[in-house]
Amino acid sequence: IQMTQSPSSLSASVGDRVTITCRASQSVATHLNWYQQKPGKAPVVLIYAASSLQSGVPSRFSGSGSGTDFTLTISSLQPEDFATYYCQQSYYTLQNTFGQGTKLEMK
Amino acid sequence: EVQLLESGGGLARPGGSLRLSCAASGLTFSGAVMSWVRQAPGKGLEWVSTLTGNGGSETYGDSVKGRFAVSRDNSKNTLYLQMNSLRAEDTAIYYCARADYYHGSGSYYFDSWGQGTLVTVSS
Repeated sequence: IQMTQSPSSLSASVGDRVTITCRASQSVATHLNWYQQKPGKAPVVLIYAASSLQSGVPSRFSGSGSGTDFTLTISSLQPEDFATYYCQQSYYTLQNTFGQGTKLEMK
Repeated sequence: EVQLLESGGGLARPGGSLRLSCAASGLTFSGAVMSWVRQAPGKGLEWVSTLTGNGGSETYGDSVKGRFAVSRDNSKNTLYLQMNSLRAEDTAIYYCARADYYHGSGSYYFDSWGQGTLVTVSS
């Protein structure tokens, strides 16, 4: 299963509402997760099962979608949110695929 | 708190081998589905391999199939990745990660990650 994110990069300002899209090459139902990665650090899960917010993650992050089309939304961008975001499908438990990433930069 | 600590990275020659280890604590290791994920310099995340808790099922990404082997020693709470026939394109930070299970939808997601170990393949 191939995962395609768009855009590959995005410039935004603090306070903006930001949406990142992830498309699967075939249906993954809701087996879709979102991660944030900052330079030099390991990824951190934000959203699992398409729309469930991981404990400790701010509520400005939300996920939606099912089947092949998914979105990650940041409702009001904060300075600490500038990072790279990845989607990942886990439809086949033991076979995973990540999207190519979306780099969120400060405008 | 789950802690994962990778080790074993370093410089290897093309065609050579390396064995990575991931020492786990703070979890019931024998019940945990564990994976390796790598990231080449300046590139995105690439799933490498997954191994079930009892070691009964293992899977690999196409780029490493037939060259890498994942294993675990549940008595030592340690996950391994044996990497053979290394290529320049295997150069990456290798992370181990625990795949947690969400019963609501039957989904797995990587909820805990190590800090990574760097593997460099160069002559």
